[in-house]
Amino acid sequence: GQSLEQPSEVTAVEGAIVQINCTYQTSGFYGLSWYQQHDGGAPTFLSYNALDGLEETGRFSSFLSRSDSYGYLLLQELQMKDSASYFCAVRDWGAAGNKLTFGGGTRVLVKP
Amino acid sequence: DAGVTQSPTHLIKTRGQHVTLRCSPISGHKSVSWYQQVLGQGPQFIFQYYEKEERGRGNFPDRFSARQFPNYSSELNVNALLLGDSALYLCASSLTGSNEKLFFGSGTQLSVL
Repeated sequence: GQSLEQPSEVTAVEGAIVQINCTYQTSGFYGLSWYQQHDGGAPTFLSYNALDGLEETGRFSSFLSRSDSYGYLLLQELQMKDSASYFCAVRDWGAAGNKLTFGGGTRVLVKP
Repeated sequence: DAGVTQSPTHLIKTRGQHVTLRCSPISGHKSVSWYQQVLGQGPQFIFQYYEKEERGRGNFPDRFSARQFPNYSSELNVNALLLGDSALYLCASSLTGSNEKLFFGSGTQLSVL
């Protein structure tokens, strides 16, 4: 089956940089996504990596190493509004068909 | 343009009852996926439909079923509700069935008493 591991919680101050690591085990891997979810809100898409390397979108960057089954989300110039849960998710194809499997989430707390 | 809309927003049921949750995808999106999210955990995949065909199924009992209509809206049905079915049920739509980028609705909060 699929499994994803990411830290449960990270605390940092405004302006700092935070890296959220995600390791995964799956077959039929297609790509790694990242989603942000504020308390009481819906998950919102941040990034998707299908190939090895770094993808940059504003203050957020995402990295993938397929050979290491590893990726990370980098949050730069942290702002208070970045306090949220961040989920990595693996897109794969297996016996259950096409699916997106989410990790347990990393709660990021940004302090002034 | 409207985002993904789900109804109802909140629902209270008792054990043994059944429930139907509804989802309208973003206009032009042909794929709808359903997820269950328990507080403090990541969303768990239930179903994906694309062009009215089931494309993926998660590890949920047969009490859970879904369908997609010709207008691409979708229903999730849960029979014989258990206390453990209490969760936030999220619907997500995407342009294709590739799951590269999902757009989530705000969810239906289901409480089973």
